[in-house]
Amino acid sequence: EVQLVESGGGLVQPGGSLRLSCAASGFSFSDHYMDWVRQAPGKGLEWVGRIRDKPNVYSTEYAASVKGRFIVSRDDSKKLVYLQMNSLKSEDTAVYYCAKVKYDLDYWGQGTLVTVSS
Amino acid sequence: DIQMTQSPSSLSASVGDRVTITCRASQDIVRDLAWHQQKPGKAPKSLIYGGSNLQSGVPSKFSGSGSGTDFTLTISSLQPEDFATYYCQQYRTYPITFGQGTRLEIK
Repeated sequence: EVQLVESGGGLVQPGGSLRLSCAASGFSFSDHYMDWVRQAPGKGLEWVGRIRDKPNVYSTEYAASVKGRFIVSRDDSKKLVYLQMNSLKSEDTAVYYCAKVKYDLDYWGQGTLVTVSS
Repeated sequence: DIQMTQSPSSLSASVGDRVTITCRASQDIVRDLAWHQQKPGKAPKSLIYGGSNLQSGVPSKFSGSGSGTDFTLTISSLQPEDFATYYCQQYRTYPITFGQGTRLEIK
């Protein structure tokens, strides 16, 4: 059974940093791209970023709204994907989901809430 | 960026009804279109990829069609557990983009 479990969310001040983790199990983690998607309170889904697999040199893609501030990384040995969030703004407040990629986002974690507020 | 526009934004229907949700892309995405279901307070769940392919375990009451710029999600014989918000998503080009969602409510 595929499982994705996010952690690391919480309250952070504007301008601060936070690192989210996503622990994967139940599939061949190293063979899959992984995504982060967020959802602001009461709003729709917004794609944040992607990290490819080792054959694709772990290259990344980002939404314009986070490019230069957020970094997606992974540790295949630990089956973990990370989202390093820097220079956080109030508009980054959202539930952050990690998702496994096969064609589209075929499995999602339960999400972790990030609140950016003073 | 490719804009994804769903219609309607909300829809009221009764148990047993058949409903159709439309998703339009601002440019040709061939068949790189997925549909996701989200219930309140829960993570999204993937239903369909490639415009019309059901994810494993998704009941056949869900069906998708379309190509190019126009796509539809049809849900037949609505049951109480089907009332949720549905999102389309294109994965043809970066950035990946979602529709604004269609909230399906019980009449």
